[in-house]
Amino acid sequence: DVKVTQSSRYLVKRTGEKVFLECVQDMDHENMFWYRQDPGLGLRLIYFSYDVKMKEKGDIPEGYSVSREKKERFSLILESASTNQTSMYLCASSLWQGSQPQHFGDGTRLSIL
Amino acid sequence: KQEVTQIPAALSVPEGENLVLNCSFTDSAIYNLQWFRQDPGKGLTSLLLIQSSQREQTSGRLNASLDKSSGRSTLYIAASQPGDSATYLCAVRRRASGTYKYIFGTGTRLKVLA
Repeated sequence: DVKVTQSSRYLVKRTGEKVFLECVQDMDHENMFWYRQDPGLGLRLIYFSYDVKMKEKGDIPEGYSVSREKKERFSLILESASTNQTSMYLCASSLWQGSQPQHFGDGTRLSIL
Repeated sequence: KQEVTQIPAALSVPEGENLVLNCSFTDSAIYNLQWFRQDPGKGLTSLLLIQSSQREQTSGRLNASLDKSSGRSTLYIAASQPGDSATYLCAVRRRASGTYKYIFGTGTRLKVLA
C-alpha cells in the first residue's frame, strides 16, 4: 500500500514565523502535491512537483514556497506565517502517468496565532 | 476552465437506504475521475478510480459511473450504514500546461442515521 506521511497532525505557530510542513511518500512517485482545504472552498492546489528540484505553482501559491531535494520528500514553507494561512494542509502523491490515482496523507491542521 | 460541482452539499438518510451522490464537470477532456472519502479532521481516502475510457467501477457496496459526454459521474452506495457517514469528494484529472492536475469538487457531506 502507498503511504504518504505528513510530519505533524496539528501545529500551532505565531504570525511572522517561518513554518515548514514535511511530506514523505514511500512509493517512488514522481508527482507530489500540496493542497489547503477550507470550509466552503474545497481543496485548492498550492504547489506541485513532477520531479526532483522541479516545481510548478498551483492556484494559490502566494505566501508559500516549496522544496523537493529528494524524490520521496516534498516540503511546504510558509515564509512569514499569517493568520489567513490557518487551514488544513494536505499532501498527496501520484505516479506521473495521467491514468494513475492520487494518494493522500492524513493532513496537518495548522493554526497561526 | 474546468469546474467540478457536487450536489447536494449535504445529505441525511436512514440506515439501509440505497443512495446516489452526484458529480458534474464542465470540460470532458479528462484522464480519469476519482472518488474519495474524508472523515472529519482526516485526509482523503481513495474509494474508486474510473479511467476516461471506462463507464463504471465497483468495489464492495460502492459503484461509480462515468458519462464523459454529459460531464457527469455518480457514486452509488448500496445498503448504507452509519459507518458510511463522511464527506465524499470527486476529482477529475486533466492535463494542463504539460502536467497533470486534479480539480476537486467541494464534496457531499453524508450522514447515515441508525
